[in-house]
Amino acid sequence: DTEVTQTPKHLVMGMTNKKSLKCEQHMGHRAMYWYKQKAKKPPELMFVYSYEKLSINESVPSRFSPECPNSSLLNLHLHALQPEDSALYLCASSQDPDTFNSPLHFGNGTRLTVT
Amino acid sequence: GESVGLHLPTLSVQEGDNSIINCAYSNSASDYFIWYKQESGKGPQFIIDIRSNMDKRQGQRVTVLLNKTVKHLSLQIAATQPGDSAVYFCAEAPLSPYGNKLVFGAGTILRVKS
Repeated sequence: DTEVTQTPKHLVMGMTNKKSLKCEQHMGHRAMYWYKQKAKKPPELMFVYSYEKLSINESVPSRFSPECPNSSLLNLHLHALQPEDSALYLCASSQDPDTFNSPLHFGNGTRLTVT
Repeated sequence: GESVGLHLPTLSVQEGDNSIINCAYSNSASDYFIWYKQESGKGPQFIIDIRSNMDKRQGQRVTVLLNKTVKHLSLQIAATQPGDSAVYFCAEAPLSPYGNKLVFGAGTILRVKS
């Protein structure tokens, strides 16, 4: 079991649907991340939140909308996705960003299929 | 580095042997390096990290070596066990006050034969 919990584990959605992915951690970490991982590829960074503020957006299309309601929660809102957006979406957290680099702790991901 | 496409490099080792997984990184400004293990259906699991002011760090059964001159990172696993079978990723990050902008390498599949 990981200390970063992601829900749901699996999600199938149509291209006109709106859905949200959720992530929760209770390690007191103040940096949280969304990564996207396609099959047989490494994880690719999408967004970084530092102290609940968006600090990095890796030019992600606006159909992906992140939200950090508080220091323990991270959401990814999905709207009008394309089939090529099907992937494993990973959430991660790390300690106080001011310490400059600390390991990311990943959840087990949400397997998203867009039909 | 670039992904190797659909075919990840594979390392096959006999149970009990030592394994060495290599990684070439591209950014000379990278200051922090991590090795992750990813099993099927799971997220990446932290193994060991090293900062650029070190060239070697040891953990339980694992050792990471860093050669900044040639931008090379390696992970050594002692007495490899069947449970070590997984995909292994190296990752690099520059110093940043905005959180870890961690960039992953392509990955290596480790297969342990019993």
